[in-house]
Amino acid sequence: SQTIHQWPATLVQPVGSPLSLECTVEGTSNPNLYWYRQAAGRGLQLLFYSVGIGQISSEVPQNLSASRPQDRQFILSSKKLLLSDSGFYLCAWSVKGLGYTFGSGTRLTVV
Amino acid sequence: SQKIEQNSEALNIQEGKTATLTCNYTNYSPAYLQWYRQDPGRGPVFLLLIRENEKEKRKERLKVTFDTTLKQSLFHITASQPADSATYLCALDSDNFNKFYFGSGTKLNVKP
Repeated sequence: SQTIHQWPATLVQPVGSPLSLECTVEGTSNPNLYWYRQAAGRGLQLLFYSVGIGQISSEVPQNLSASRPQDRQFILSSKKLLLSDSGFYLCAWSVKGLGYTFGSGTRLTVV
Repeated sequence: SQKIEQNSEALNIQEGKTATLTCNYTNYSPAYLQWYRQDPGRGPVFLLLIRENEKEKRKERLKVTFDTTLKQSLFHITASQPADSATYLCALDSDNFNKFYFGSGTKLNVKP
């Protein structure tokens, strides 16, 4: 069966510090991978998506970046966090024709 | 501009009644539309997917309709239960299923 792992569950980081969130998928090959962010009481904002290794599409200009070094690994990074980067970050995977499977999310608070 | 609109006000209904949630969109031409359930502090959970050439889809107590002329989807939960209380999100695809955009969700409260 397919599973998705996302960590850490919570993170408190000072402004200006770096960020690295990791997501790995098991039980599927060549999935589409996604990073979404959800602000408190808001909908999900698509940040990045990837249809293959090394292929990253960015949706929103920002100080975040994403990488896909392996087929089932997706990493979200920042060199210097801003207060506005706080939120609930969700990784997801999909195969065409099927719904997304989301990870359990990372609650990031930038202080 | 592109918009996906879901009622921001919570929907409060009595147990046993049918809940109907609405998703309206503008300036999208989705081939697929999905509905998700999200509980507080958790990631969304996939419920149903409907294609543009399908008018209606059912799964147990759930029913989704998709009207591409009205640019609207309706999500129904029949015989609602308190355990159905959650936020429900709709999502539309772009770029032939390569990415989905989400509405902000509607919170459903089912009272016993």
